[in-house]
Amino acid sequence: DAKTTQPPSMDCAEGRAANLPCNHSTISGNEYVYWYRQIHSQGPQYIIHGLKNNETNEMASLIITEDRKSSTLILPHATLRDTAVYYCISRKLSFGAGTTVTVRA
Amino acid sequence: DAGITQSPRYKITETGRQVTLMCHQTWSHSYMFWYRQDLGHGLRLIYYSAAADITDKGEVPDGYVVSRSKTENFPLTLESATRSQTSVYFCASSESARTGGELFFGEGSRLTVL
Repeated sequence: DAKTTQPPSMDCAEGRAANLPCNHSTISGNEYVYWYRQIHSQGPQYIIHGLKNNETNEMASLIITEDRKSSTLILPHATLRDTAVYYCISRKLSFGAGTTVTVRA
Repeated sequence: DAGITQSPRYKITETGRQVTLMCHQTWSHSYMFWYRQDLGHGLRLIYYSAAADITDKGEVPDGYVVSRSKTENFPLTLESATRSQTSVYFCASSESARTGGELFFGEGSRLTVL
């Protein structure tokens, strides 16, 4: 099971882009990278996933390095409602502690 | 409504009692999962199921029992609850465990064992 590593916390100014890094150096070639977020104590919410190519949807963009050892989730215009814990996982079998993102006005 | 629902949402019980947390999904997803989340921590997988009558252990299975007689239901039973099992329990479903297929989570069941 590939292990992911994320910074424990980060702050972001409202309206600015938030760039959330994730290291997954042991990921195998067919494992996807998934991002979820958890607001307060709600169930985690899916954001985006990717395998090799960069991905974009209405919520965020995902940039995966060519060697697939790391990725960055980009929230293009952070709002106060984006304050949450963000999880980067490579399989559905385990979540780490994630990154607590605080968006400040 | 389509979705994934957990019940009960809140439960207080005593040490040694049996507790069953229910999970129901309406998408006919093959995979279902149970996680626990303790204060200030991420989610740890307890058990998962790839299909009806197929279950497998996750990271922290001790003290828990699951069954999956129907695709849509995946109950989690604590046969003899302990205080260390006080936690928030999340059920999730997915079309796949590996490729594509995002996880859809329930709202959580908050269990307190006195």
